[in-house]
Amino acid sequence: EVQLVESGGGLVQPGRSLRLSCVGSGFKFEEHVMHWVRQVPGKGLEWVAHITWNSGIVDYADSVKGRFTISRDNAKNSLYLQMNSLRREDTALYYCAKDRDYYDNSATFDYWGQGTLVTVSS
Amino acid sequence: DIQMTQSPSSLSASVGDRVTITCRASQNIRSYLNWYQQKPGKAPKLLIYVATSLQRGVPGRFSGRGSGTDFTLTISSLQPEDFATYHCQQTYRTPRTFGQGTKVEI
Repeated sequence: EVQLVESGGGLVQPGRSLRLSCVGSGFKFEEHVMHWVRQVPGKGLEWVAHITWNSGIVDYADSVKGRFTISRDNAKNSLYLQMNSLRREDTALYYCAKDRDYYDNSATFDYWGQGTLVTVSS
Repeated sequence: DIQMTQSPSSLSASVGDRVTITCRASQNIRSYLNWYQQKPGKAPKLLIYVATSLQRGVPGRFSGRGSGTDFTLTISSLQPEDFATYHCQQTYRTPRTFGQGTKVEI
């Protein structure tokens, strides 16, 4: 059974940093592009970042570019999101999501974690 | 960025009804369109990818149609477990953007 489990969310002041983690199991983690997607509670979904299977390519939404860094450790089946210079508008539930395709970035998310809530507030 | 607009934003329906949700892209996205279902407090679940392909394990009452800019998700006979919010997503161009969601209520 495929599982994705996020952690690391919490309450943080504007301008501070937070690091999210996601551990995958039940599939060959190293064979898939991985993504972060966020959702303001009660609102729509926003793709945040993706990283290719070998970390060769990363990409970000303009809203987080220069502040967030996505990374992965295939030996640990883990995905990370380092979030710096946090803003109130970054408050959201952050999901990690597995790409449906093997090695390719289809941005079709066939499995999602349960999400970890990030609240940016003073 | 490609804008995705869903209609309606919400709808009321009954068990057994045929329900259709529309998603319109601000430019041609060919068939690069996915549909997700999200229940309260849960993560989204992939239903349909590349406009018409049913994800493994998804009931056959769900179907997708369309290409270019106009797409539909149809539930042929609404079941109690189908009351949820449905999101469309384009995967044609980065950033991959979502619609605002359509809430299907009783």
